Amino acid sequence: GAVVSQHPSRVICKSGTSVKIECRSLDFQATTMFWYRQFPKQSLMLMATSNEGSKATYEQGVEKDKFLINHASLTLSTLTVTSAHPEDSSFYICSASSQGDNEQYFGPGTRLTVT
Amino acid sequence: QQQVKQSPQSLIVQKGGISIINCAYENTAFDYFPWYQQFPGKGPALLIAIRPDVSEKKEGRFTISFNKSAKQFSLHIMDSQPGDSATYFCAGGYQKVTFGTGTKLQVIP
Repeated sequence: GAVVSQHPSRVICKSGTSVKIECRSLDFQATTMFWYRQFPKQSLMLMATSNEGSKATYEQGVEKDKFLINHASLTLSTLTVTSAHPEDSSFYICSASSQGDNEQYFGPGTRLTVT
Repeated sequence: QQQVKQSPQSLIVQKGGISIINCAYENTAFDYFPWYQQFPGKGPALLIAIRPDVSEKKEGRFTISFNKSAKQFSLHIMDSQPGDSATYFCAGGYQKVTFGTGTKLQVIP
């Protein structure tokens, strides 16, 4: 149980375009979803926390207009990287947790390359 | 985000040996301390977790030791195997999780 999927697993896009990444909890209701960014050989940095039906809470230094997060249902959250630039290239990972549960279940990640 | 300091940055252990990774945290509000295992190109997976009211937790070959007064905790991997070669992250959490800097473990035959 507690499976989280991400789609796509890899995406290459041109500079200036927008890219949407989906995060789904397959077998549980995710009241909270988290989006992380990971650079090569570095740790995971929390970008934002989203609760179903509410606006996302962004960490300091993360541009909310650049990284649009939508958590429209208890099983789906999306991250849209708008007007992507090469410096946005990274490994994006989502995680999900259910109400009252500290434990987070992570997705397999999405490798974004902006050319 | 409150820091979680992790050491060593990298570790090479002989097969069958004990791997030890240490972490220290600052935020006394943390009430959940998980360890994650991450293979290259994959998302992290929960390995084992502990709460601050417990000093030790063991699951199979993996043991967490927790020292609340020192604000330190560690992961011990007994009988380390080549398949354990991965990057390990400690974390501290209260509503959301703050990750340590990671330890790349290599277990050599």
